[in-house]
Amino acid sequence: EAGVAQSPRYKIIEKRQSVAFWCNPISGHATLYWYQQILGQGPKLLIQFQNNGVVDDSQLPKDRFSAERLKGVDSTLKIQPAKLEDSAVYLCASSPSGTPVTEAFFGQGTRLTVV
Amino acid sequence: AQSVAQPEDQVNVAEGNPLTVKCTYSVSGNPYLFWYVQYPNRGLQFLLKYITGDNLVKGSYGFEAEFNKSQTSFHLKKPSALVSDSALYFCAVRDRSSGTYKYIFGTGTRLKVLA
Repeated sequence: EAGVAQSPRYKIIEKRQSVAFWCNPISGHATLYWYQQILGQGPKLLIQFQNNGVVDDSQLPKDRFSAERLKGVDSTLKIQPAKLEDSAVYLCASSPSGTPVTEAFFGQGTRLTVV
Repeated sequence: AQSVAQPEDQVNVAEGNPLTVKCTYSVSGNPYLFWYVQYPNRGLQFLLKYITGDNLVKGSYGFEAEFNKSQTSFHLKKPSALVSDSALYFCAVRDRSSGTYKYIFGTGTRLKVLA
């Protein structure tokens, strides 16, 4: 079974520029998550989709971050404009459903450096 | 609010010795607890989970974890450590209060197994 695919793996941008990340979850997985992992910290949920609907975006900085999951499959996360504190690894994960007993499967992440 | 704590930033253990990585949790109701491992430049990989039933849970790569309700702990263990076990380990709880069961991760514990 193919895993969660993310691109790009690495990105360096200047502050105030925009950037987009792409995620293709495991086929058939209804739930998709975007996490932000700052160096030395645990992953923090940014947004959670169930199919193509948002079920939790309470920690998404909506003034600069946006995400969509068209057709309930792949997803993009955008930052515009980027700030220095956005430097982090952005992890995409998916799971078969939103029930609490299922584990999530993570992609390799995109390491963003904002200079 | 639901949370997990990993009190040790780093654990060092000699190869062949038993290892323990500690995790304590704070939840309302019955907890859904998980352990994930992260190797350098990789996403998180699922190790094991506790949902209900037997307090000793066995997982991947010879790891196990013991759920202790009275001590609100879910420590990760392995009888004999390998150098290849060196990685970053995250404990997580599913947040039942939000209705979306999002993961809440600890800050991580770096395990270093010395040859």
